[in-house]
Amino acid sequence: EPEVTQTPSHQVTQMGQEVILRCVPISNHLYFYWYRQILGQKVEFLVSFYNNEISEKSEIFDDQFSVERPDGSNFTLKIRSTKLEDSAMYFCASRDNTGGALSEQYFGPGTRLTVT
Amino acid sequence: QKEVEQNSGPLSVPEGAIASLNCTYSDRGSQSFFWYRQYSGKSPELIMSIYSNGDQEDGRFTAQLNKASQYVSLLIRDSQPSDSATYLCAVKIASGGSYIPTFGRGTSLIVHP
Repeated sequence: EPEVTQTPSHQVTQMGQEVILRCVPISNHLYFYWYRQILGQKVEFLVSFYNNEISEKSEIFDDQFSVERPDGSNFTLKIRSTKLEDSAMYFCASRDNTGGALSEQYFGPGTRLTVT
Repeated sequence: QKEVEQNSGPLSVPEGAIASLNCTYSDRGSQSFFWYRQYSGKSPELIMSIYSNGDQEDGRFTAQLNKASQYVSLLIRDSQPSDSATYLCAVKIASGGSYIPTFGRGTSLIVHP
């Protein structure tokens, strides 16, 4: 069964450093998402991406964050200057166009980001 | 602030019983509703989606939606210890022409043998 993959599974970085989290969505999916989940808290939407541009972003997704689809398969989240509070699990998700905006999303296994 | 509310639990049920998980949402314009299961340290896994009022059944799972009451629930019949997890309610809320998934904090379910 097709699945969303993410690398690395765990990233440790020092405060102020840049990190890039990588995702490979399901191949026929057209919509891509990043979420984060701080330990013990709820899943929070960061950004959605379609047709090579951001379609929605939350208040969390400030100028420190950016997303890119550098080729036909990868979808990346970059944090330019990490802060301690960026420590969280970051999930990538994707969906197809079946059912339009109301269709289900499928999540990757996540990247645990630890900022020290 | 458009919210999705869930009782954090834990909800403890004996094996074989029916587990009932509840969720309320504040945005009356919400169109689609999802239940995810999340094991500790893992990603959310989609269990059920429901779009119209009434019940939707899939195996041991039944999702129930009442848009007038802004209430969605998940019933798990014949609960098994492997069902022990956190169950996340997610609602797609309209925002600027798009639909943003908004999650509740989740309800922890413990099924004991």
